[in-house]
Amino acid sequence: SYVLTQPPSVSVAPGKTARITCGGNNIGSKSVHWYQQKPGQAPVLVIYYDSDRPSGIPERFSGSNSGNTATLTISRVEAGDEADYYCQVWDSSSVVFGGGTKLTVL
Amino acid sequence: EVQLVESGGGLIQPGGSLRLSCAASGFTVSSNYMSWVRQAPGKGLEWVSVIYSGGSTYYADSVKGRFTISRDNSKNTLYLQMNSLRAEDTAVYYCARVQGPGGSLDYWGQGTLVTVSS
Repeated sequence: SYVLTQPPSVSVAPGKTARITCGGNNIGSKSVHWYQQKPGQAPVLVIYYDSDRPSGIPERFSGSNSGNTATLTISRVEAGDEADYYCQVWDSSSVVFGGGTKLTVL
Repeated sequence: EVQLVESGGGLIQPGGSLRLSCAASGFTVSSNYMSWVRQAPGKGLEWVSVIYSGGSTYYADSVKGRFTISRDNSKNTLYLQMNSLRAEDTAVYYCARVQGPGGSLDYWGQGTLVTVSS
């Protein structure tokens, strides 16, 4: 089965740029979606099809996908961005999630 | 406005059965792919099952043969029948709408907690 690998944690100072990676075998050939989950809340879609943003998601959130790594980039990080972030792809008819990355805003 | 509201969670003994419901509004369940995702306490997201608009169903290996996803078009509601429950099935269960083949899970419910314990 397909495996997505995310770093358990990423820390960034306010106003700086956070990059959260999602590794997978030839992931660049798949569509990657990203979710933000704050404590006690349901996940929220922040990036779909590698780099598209749903309405209501700030332009500070962007995504890229190439080779064996997809990346979620959050520019000008704010305290409110502190959350868990998950990448997701489809593998045949199954949904696959990465293990999640806890973003800490210092 | 798209809304998904789960219900049916609770405390159940190992080996028992439970049926979760997910009432949808603002769109038609039968015209969309729909999925269940769970999250054990303090853990990450785990995909459980999907039902395609055409009716095909797929399951994670961890629940195959024990869980059944279905929908009631007249009630615009998605279901997850869970049998032979185990302690490791303890989790918050979310239903979500899928954007389509290869798509994202664009709308999620608030989740319902299932606790399997004696």
